[in-house]
Amino acid sequence: DAGVTQSPTHLIKTRGQQVTLRCSPKSGHDTVSWYQQALGQGPQFIFQYYEEEERQRGNFPDRFSGHQFPNYSSELNVNALLLGDSALYLCASSLLGGSTDTQYFGPGTRLTVL
Amino acid sequence: QKEVEQNSGPLSVPEGAIASLNCTYSDRVSQSFFWYRQYSGKSPELIMSIYSNGDKEDGRFTAQLNKASQYVSLLIRDSQPSDSATYLCAARNSGGSNYKLTFGKGTLLTVNP
Repeated sequence: DAGVTQSPTHLIKTRGQQVTLRCSPKSGHDTVSWYQQALGQGPQFIFQYYEEEERQRGNFPDRFSGHQFPNYSSELNVNALLLGDSALYLCASSLLGGSTDTQYFGPGTRLTVL
Repeated sequence: QKEVEQNSGPLSVPEGAIASLNCTYSDRVSQSFFWYRQYSGKSPELIMSIYSNGDKEDGRFTAQLNKASQYVSLLIRDSQPSDSATYLCAARNSGGSNYKLTFGKGTLLTVNP
């Protein structure tokens, strides 16, 4: 049973650049959520995708955008990177309408902005 | 601002002892609660979910929920050094169009051999 996968594992960018992070959900799941986790903090919700549409968005600027593909995989794009965007970016998958609403996390992408 | 609060710790217990981790939440309509374990440099791993008042046991772990007091706890019996990690409490309001998990900052647990 394939779990949630994310790529790349690590990424180093400079301020002003753009980055794309990728996520494949757990087998059988159809919903993908993205979280940002700064050092020493709990994960903060960025947005959630279901049926290729953004279903809910957290308090993040428009520089953060996403996409979900027909195979349920997802991308997170961040434009005009700031130093403060350095964090662990987590993807979580779940099944809409499943017996539970549990979200399972992937291994994360560590983004460093210099 | 709907919040989840945890004591950041660190909480230090000897091997074999019971570790007690606590969490409070401010949103009264929160209905689903989750405990995740996060090892340093790794991603959160689900330990338990709880939806109803009372206790829920899974092996050495027991989650407790008291919605009247807006309080969730996690007990770890017979603590092992491998339990040393940050424990994240998360809440979700399952009603309406709210699907996100709201996390606390986590409690760092150290189990000493």
